[in-house]
Amino acid sequence: ETGVTQTPRHLVMGMTNKKSLKCEQHLGHNAMYWYKQSAKKPLELMFVYNFKEQTENNSVPSRFSPECPNSSHLFLHLHTLQPEDSALYLCASSLTRDSGEAYFGPGTRLTVT
Amino acid sequence: AQKVTQAQTEISVVEKEDVTLDCVYETRDTTYYLFWYKQPPSGELVFLIRRNSFDEQNEISGRYSWNFQKSTSSFNFTITASQVVDSAVYFCALSGFSGGYNKLIFGAGTRLAVHP
Repeated sequence: ETGVTQTPRHLVMGMTNKKSLKCEQHLGHNAMYWYKQSAKKPLELMFVYNFKEQTENNSVPSRFSPECPNSSHLFLHLHTLQPEDSALYLCASSLTRDSGEAYFGPGTRLTVT
Repeated sequence: AQKVTQAQTEISVVEKEDVTLDCVYETRDTTYYLFWYKQPPSGELVFLIRRNSFDEQNEISGRYSWNFQKSTSSFNFTITASQVVDSAVYFCALSGFSGGYNKLIFGAGTRLAVHP
């Protein structure tokens, strides 16, 4: 148990659907992240939030929309995705934006049909 | 530019063998961090170690040991007397001042299979 939980663990959605991924951390951290892990690419950082403010968007398409209502919760809203968006989406948190030591959740395995 | 290379895609060993996972990095920063994470079949990345660029002391934690050599830009990971539970994908990562310490640059990972 790493203190970072993600729901759902598995998600299958059509290209016209709208869904959301949820991440919650119980570690008292102030920075949260979304990473994407595709089958044939290294882990890619998508978004960074620090004290609820987005500090980095790593050129992510607008069909991915993050939301951070507080330091403990992070969402990734998905709409009109493409099959190539199928991947494992990992949430992580760290004490601060610059602490470096990130703790990861178990991920959501997303399949877009 | 920052880059992490894990040249070994897959390694297969028999239980109780020692195994070393290689990691070579590139960075122009003088201040940076290096990490190792383990990803078991369950999917989550498990933090193993963080090392800053000013600390070249090798570290040992149980069966795990890390060899950091700035001269060769390497941060290798050795598992002694491997066990089946060590089977996982292992990622080396780097973060540095120029890219932001929060931005982890990951290698492609090395899949380790330990057979009984």
